[in-house]
Amino acid sequence: DIQMTQSPSSLPASLGDRVTITCRASQDIGNYLRWFQQKPGKSPRLMIYGATNLAAGVPSRFSGSRSGSDYSLTISSLESEDMADYYCLQSKESPFTFGAGTKLELK
Amino acid sequence: QVQLQQSGAELAKPGSSVKISCKASGYTFTSYYISWIKQTTGQGLEYIGYINTGSGGTNYNEKFKGKATLTVDKSSSTAFMQLSSLTPDDSAVYYCAPGGGFAYWGQGTLVTVSS
Repeated sequence: DIQMTQSPSSLPASLGDRVTITCRASQDIGNYLRWFQQKPGKSPRLMIYGATNLAAGVPSRFSGSRSGSDYSLTISSLESEDMADYYCLQSKESPFTFGAGTKLELK
Repeated sequence: QVQLQQSGAELAKPGSSVKISCKASGYTFTSYYISWIKQTTGQGLEYIGYINTGSGGTNYNEKFKGKATLTVDKSSSTAFMQLSSLTPDDSAVYYCAPGGGFAYWGQGTLVTVSS
């Protein structure tokens, strides 16, 4: 199975900060990488697909990028509503695999 | 709009089985396969597998073979997942999601396995 190594597991940040979360793929996954946001008691919400494409309705402060096997989700200016858990998912090869998650919290 | 309505929370005893449902609406049910995902605090999110809603063909994560059985009822646009020989490790929230885009998710079904 393809392993997705996500870091950091916890990210304390302040409102207005620029934050970046990263997933590293153990094998080539091309751009088959999605990012999800999840708030307590809610289902995951698709934020980014195809590594760099913003999903419908997602604020433009969110962006996705790729450098080799490293994939990043960046929030340019953190807002209070962004405090949540974030997960990456590779859908290049079955079984699809998720990163372990990053808890974004207020410093 | 696309909606996935999952069945309610289940409390089950070790060794028993549960069958949870995922009723789709707002799109042509057989146009997209349905994926199932497990979420626990300890293991995070795990992909269980998917079912082709048109043919009934399935693809399982090896880890869940023998544990999960995926079926569909096209007449009611509903997908089902049966979990068998339950242990406390099967306690989790289970989600369904159509297609490979993961743009839509059910609200989740909490399964608690306890004696």
